[in-house]
Amino acid sequence: DTAVSQTPKYLVTQMGNDKSIKCEQNLGHDTMYWYKQDSKKFLKIMFSYNNKELIINETVPNRFSPKSPDKAHLNLHINSLELGDSAVYFCASSPTVLTYEQYFGPGTRLTVT
Amino acid sequence: KNQVEQSPQSLIILEGKNCTLQCNYTVSPFSNLRWYKQDTGRGPVSLTIMTFSENTKSNGRYTATLDADTKQSSLHITASQLSDSASYICVVPSTDSWGKLQFGAGTQVVVTP
Repeated sequence: DTAVSQTPKYLVTQMGNDKSIKCEQNLGHDTMYWYKQDSKKFLKIMFSYNNKELIINETVPNRFSPKSPDKAHLNLHINSLELGDSAVYFCASSPTVLTYEQYFGPGTRLTVT
Repeated sequence: KNQVEQSPQSLIILEGKNCTLQCNYTVSPFSNLRWYKQDTGRGPVSLTIMTFSENTKSNGRYTATLDADTKQSSLHITASQLSDSASYICVVPSTDSWGKLQFGAGTQVVVTP
């Protein structure tokens, strides 16, 4: 009965590969987010979707492409992975875009070698 | 410049002792401030939310205070337990766009036996 789940938990891959991270929430929330947490522990917003519509798109390389097939799912696809992409990626959701209470998933630790 | 600054960056305390973490923010206008707890290898979990009209709010052994005039908040942990070892993150809604949050870098707390 996990609220926000992500797969995989760990992802180790080589430079230049393409990979995807999946996120699902069973809370019935309208809004979902992708965050990147680097080695300095700062959480930085990457994208946000509200009812499958992109509403936040921070300055992120276009190698990163989010996709929301429905409001319960938000996936992140990364092309041509680089060493600097190594980080922990968190998915989160909130009831609405106006609700600042966000519920986070367990994170996906991506290591690019 | 980050609009949410936290101090100290890290601290070590003995089990059973108290500690206080600080958060200064510059976001304006201000609506609310949250404290999140992030255990190692997990996503952040909300501890408490303070609106601009609240001065103090408790959640078990955690007590948050807010001074909206000086734009400062503190999180006090009473009678610390080993399970309190975590990063504590101060979060304020951004004024850039709906749903966007400004995160502090967090204070890493280590409770030792």
